[in-house]
Amino acid sequence: QQPVQSPQAVILREGEDAVINCSSSKALYSVHWYRQKHGEAPVFLMILLKGGEQKGHEKISASFNEKKQQSSLYLTASQLSYSGTYFCGTEGGGADGLTFGKGTHLIIQP
Amino acid sequence: NAGVTQTPKFQVLKTGQSMTLQCAQDMNHEYMSWYRQDPGMGLRLIHYSVGAGITDQGEVPNGYNVSRSTTEDFPLRLLSAAPSQTSVYFCASSSDPGLAGTDTQYFGPGTRLTVL
Repeated sequence: QQPVQSPQAVILREGEDAVINCSSSKALYSVHWYRQKHGEAPVFLMILLKGGEQKGHEKISASFNEKKQQSSLYLTASQLSYSGTYFCGTEGGGADGLTFGKGTHLIIQP
Repeated sequence: NAGVTQTPKFQVLKTGQSMTLQCAQDMNHEYMSWYRQDPGMGLRLIHYSVGAGITDQGEVPNGYNVSRSTTEDFPLRLLSAAPSQTSVYFCASSSDPGLAGTDTQYFGPGTRLTVL
């Protein structure tokens, strides 16, 4: 089943923070986060594995709550380059690939 | 490394025509998959393969066939194109098919297909 992302869209000023949520109705083994700019392929951001770990690089981090089957992506002090559509992909532990959410559109304004 | 390559980048077909979308990777990845992306729908899995000679259906397999004769190539065939198959198609690969969640997926640049 497709994970549910929220919000669907968000508009921020440069320097503001954003949180994007991803929740699933099934047990998860991992959550993947991607960013896609218009007309381009998705670009991998990070994977979070079962275990409730939190990961991050630069000013983008994410958490994974396996009990709630939820993940959140945190973008702090947003930059213009963060604009794009963010997708979470969830994986239940088998080999049938990722199931992606519908995406969250993030617009950063100067 | 070229990574994941897809051809063609753009294609226009008439209803009922058939064609093959090509996908190749040079990273020796076992796991390859095809997604379609439609506005408001996100990415949806069409077919996937966990190794040469092994393929399986994803979420939206109807109207598509795949084969995996080599590790490098994973072509997607449209048997009889329909307007509902107008979409952007992405091929992806990763090195860990058994636990697909433990490794990143690398995406190709996409093929934009229009069926008239």
